[in-house]
Amino acid sequence: GEDVEQSLFLSVREGDSSVINCTYTDSSSTYLYWYKQEPGAGLQLLTYIFSNMDMKQDQRLTVLLNKKDKHLSLRIADTQTGDSAIYFCAESMDTGFQKLVFGTGTRLLVSP
Amino acid sequence: DGGITQSPKYLFRKEGQNVTLSCEQNLNHDAMYWYRQDPGQGLRLIYYSQIVNDFQKGDIAEGYSVSREKKESFPLTVTSAQKNPTAFYLCASSHRGRTTNEKLFFGSGTQLSVL
Repeated sequence: GEDVEQSLFLSVREGDSSVINCTYTDSSSTYLYWYKQEPGAGLQLLTYIFSNMDMKQDQRLTVLLNKKDKHLSLRIADTQTGDSAIYFCAESMDTGFQKLVFGTGTRLLVSP
Repeated sequence: DGGITQSPKYLFRKEGQNVTLSCEQNLNHDAMYWYRQDPGQGLRLIYYSQIVNDFQKGDIAEGYSVSREKKESFPLTVTSAQKNPTAFYLCASSHRGRTTNEKLFFGSGTQLSVL
């Protein structure tokens, strides 16, 4: 089945680390993605991880994948006020075309 | 600069009216998509097109129609049959879309509201 879940809200202070969590149910997913959406805008791809990897680091972003538990997380180090946005995780389905199933989105609020 | 342009930014629909949302891309992408976003929910796929003159229904196609006469354009019509059209609509594109790591590029969205 297709179901991607995220907590709806996260609040952190500037300079702290943020961890946004995501669970998915389809074990056949090959790629998992993190997208960022700023207010009134479209989604911007932040990073992605292949399903045979456990971790991927890209500057301040660290993605952890626990395939056994179907759990994905995004850690943002040294969170800044400009990181305030909605973060979506998404899994790709092997349907012969690029179909993404998106989570509900986590709204990150960074306070000074 | 290459990108995806959606217009208008805001759109209002009267009862019983059809409205059309525009989506144009100059990224030379083969595949284009329409998603609907409701508060507190993820994006849901309405329609997608992998090639000109061909398109398929997504998960919530009822009350919507599309056309793909040109590679650059993928307009979405919200018909009067769509009883709850108020939402944020996002258009996206990618390369052919056959593999499972074709990154999606999104437009800036259209907010549709019912008068």
